Amino acid sequence: GNSVTQMEGPVTLSEEAFLTINCTYTATGYPSLFWYVQYPGEGLQLLLKATKADDKGSNKGFEATYRKETTSFHLEKGSVQVSDSAVYFCALSDETGDYKLSFGAGTTVTVRA
Amino acid sequence: DVKVTQSSRYLVKRTGEKVFLECVQDMDHENMFWYRQDPGLGLRLIYFSYDVKMKEKGDIPEGYSVSREKKERFSLILESASTNQTSMYLCASSLGQGTDNIQYFGAGTRLSVL
Repeated sequence: GNSVTQMEGPVTLSEEAFLTINCTYTATGYPSLFWYVQYPGEGLQLLLKATKADDKGSNKGFEATYRKETTSFHLEKGSVQVSDSAVYFCALSDETGDYKLSFGAGTTVTVRA
Repeated sequence: DVKVTQSSRYLVKRTGEKVFLECVQDMDHENMFWYRQDPGLGLRLIYFSYDVKMKEKGDIPEGYSVSREKKERFSLILESASTNQTSMYLCASSLGQGTDNIQYFGAGTRLSVL
């Protein structure tokens, strides 16, 4: 079955530091890949997505590239802000038409001023 | 903007009570989902529905049931609440499937069962 593995947190950074959160997946075929973000006290919201190999998703200064050869979708941001403090979830949706998403365990990121 | 509304942010219930968690979406989405979120475990799918009156079990359906009588409303039911059902519950909806499956989430209901 499908599965998603994220680096464990928590991650604590200073403002303007570089952030990387690793995500690898197991799936048959060619899944779509997503990063969702959950700010304190809120539900999840889509941060970015990529639907095919070598696609790069980007939003709010975050980027992730769909690497089929390494089955990875690592999230990066060059200069984090305090407002980026949140829980980040990697997820995949396979190509079979299934309605479900498979989520990673989530990575808690805290950015200090 | 898509809006998914969960009726309660916080609930406290007693063991053995019947608990209803309500979720409403306003974007005419076909698909709706119930997850529970626990630290270190991420989101786990309890049930989902791809049409009115249709439901499918997710990964952890035991102890739960659902109801979808109208397209916009999806209810999660705990028939007899137990302490191990203390958790954050998230509702989501989506229009697409497969590679276009963007899910939109409510703010969550934090349930405590005492």
